[in-house]
Amino acid sequence: EVQLVETGGGLIQPGGSLRLSCAASGFTVSSNYMSWVRQAPGKGLEWVSVIYSGGSTYYADSVKGRFTISRDNSKNTLYLQMNSLRAEDTAVYYCARDGGDYPSAFDYWGQGTLVTVSS
Amino acid sequence: QSVLTQPPSVSGAPGQRVTISCTGSSSNIGAGYDVHWYQQLPGTAPKLLIYGNSNRPSGVPDRFSGSKSGTSASLAITGLQAEDEADYYCQSYDSSLSGSRGCGVFGTGTKVTVL
Repeated sequence: EVQLVETGGGLIQPGGSLRLSCAASGFTVSSNYMSWVRQAPGKGLEWVSVIYSGGSTYYADSVKGRFTISRDNSKNTLYLQMNSLRAEDTAVYYCARDGGDYPSAFDYWGQGTLVTVSS
Repeated sequence: QSVLTQPPSVSGAPGQRVTISCTGSSSNIGAGYDVHWYQQLPGTAPKLLIYGNSNRPSGVPDRFSGSKSGTSASLAITGLQAEDEADYYCQSYDSSLSGSRGCGVFGTGTKVTVL
């Protein structure tokens, strides 16, 4: 059974850093594209970042230069390192398998982890 | 940044048919990228509802259907049920953003209310 479990969210001051983790089971992270998607309170979904199976990484303009997506193949885990956090980064962050069973669609999602950026 | 536009809300009585539009441009839907649809029940993660414009993953009722034409796509729900009350999002890719396939873009989201 495919499962994604995010951890690492919490309350952080503006300018601070946080690393989110997404532990996967039931499939191999490194063989798939994996994405992070976020949702600000009461708002819609926003794609944040993707890591391709080959290792290439891409980011939304809103986080480029501040966030880094990576993975640990030995732990079958996806990460999102978030630096220089701003109030507008406050959101629930979801990891999602990207194009697994269904090309280019996010077919499995984690339960999400809340990041609150506030002083 | 939402480059796909959806109506904020649609509503219908039980048993009725509702449709949700998703309007893009020549750099996303019009460029030939597939459109996918997600259902998000309150307090839960999104769930894939339609993939590849018009296909349903296993377990999704055939009351849900999708279509795509030109720079737009649509989701239809027939035989509306109380359990369909949720937020719905379209998703595609945009070639104006970086990446070999473009980068993911979501619609603005539509709240479906069952009267």
